Amino acid sequence: KAGVTQTPRYLIKTRGQQVTLSCSPISGHRSVSWYQQTPGQGLQFLFEYFSETQRNKGNFPGRFSGRQFSNSRSEMNVSTLELGDSALYLCASSKGQTVNTEAFFGQGTRLTVV
Amino acid sequence: GESVGLHLPTLSVQEGDNSIINCAYSNSASDYFIWYKQESGKGPQFIIDIRSNMDKRQGQRVTVLLNKTVKHLSLQIAATQPGDSAVYFCAENPSQAGTALIFGKGTTLSVSS
Repeated sequence: KAGVTQTPRYLIKTRGQQVTLSCSPISGHRSVSWYQQTPGQGLQFLFEYFSETQRNKGNFPGRFSGRQFSNSRSEMNVSTLELGDSALYLCASSKGQTVNTEAFFGQGTRLTVV
Repeated sequence: GESVGLHLPTLSVQEGDNSIINCAYSNSASDYFIWYKQESGKGPQFIIDIRSNMDKRQGQRVTVLLNKTVKHLSLQIAATQPGDSAVYFCAENPSQAGTALIFGKGTTLSVSS
């Protein structure tokens, strides 16, 4: 059974640009959550999608957005990139039929903003 | 805001020893907890979970203990191996937060042989 797949693995962008990251969840999983990981702040929840609807949102500015498609694949977008957006962006998938289910992470996308 | 925290940022043990990694949480509404292991360059790997209606759960070489009275979570690793070297995170899921997880800062476990 394939795990969570995130693309691309590495990305370098310039301040002011925008970026789109992709996540394919484990087959059969309908919930996709996104996290930002930095050395200073650790792992922080961005948002969660379930059945194409945003079910929960963390405390990040509106420059961070996401969406989920009918096949459960998800994308997140960051507009007007800032140097502080440099981080490892992780996607986690779970069955999501109820709360409190195992969440499995992908390898992440390492975003560097220069 | 409320968040999960860890007592020690680093832990060094000898191969074959038992390791105990501790975590304190502050959100009394949390009813589900997970321990993750993260190796360099990889995403967090699920180790074991526990629900708030339990106080102990065992897996293969790992045991998670939950003390709701003092809001404390611990991960015990038996017969620690060099391959266990990684950063360990505890995460809590407040019942009203969907599947959103709140992570602690992490403990770096170093195993020497």
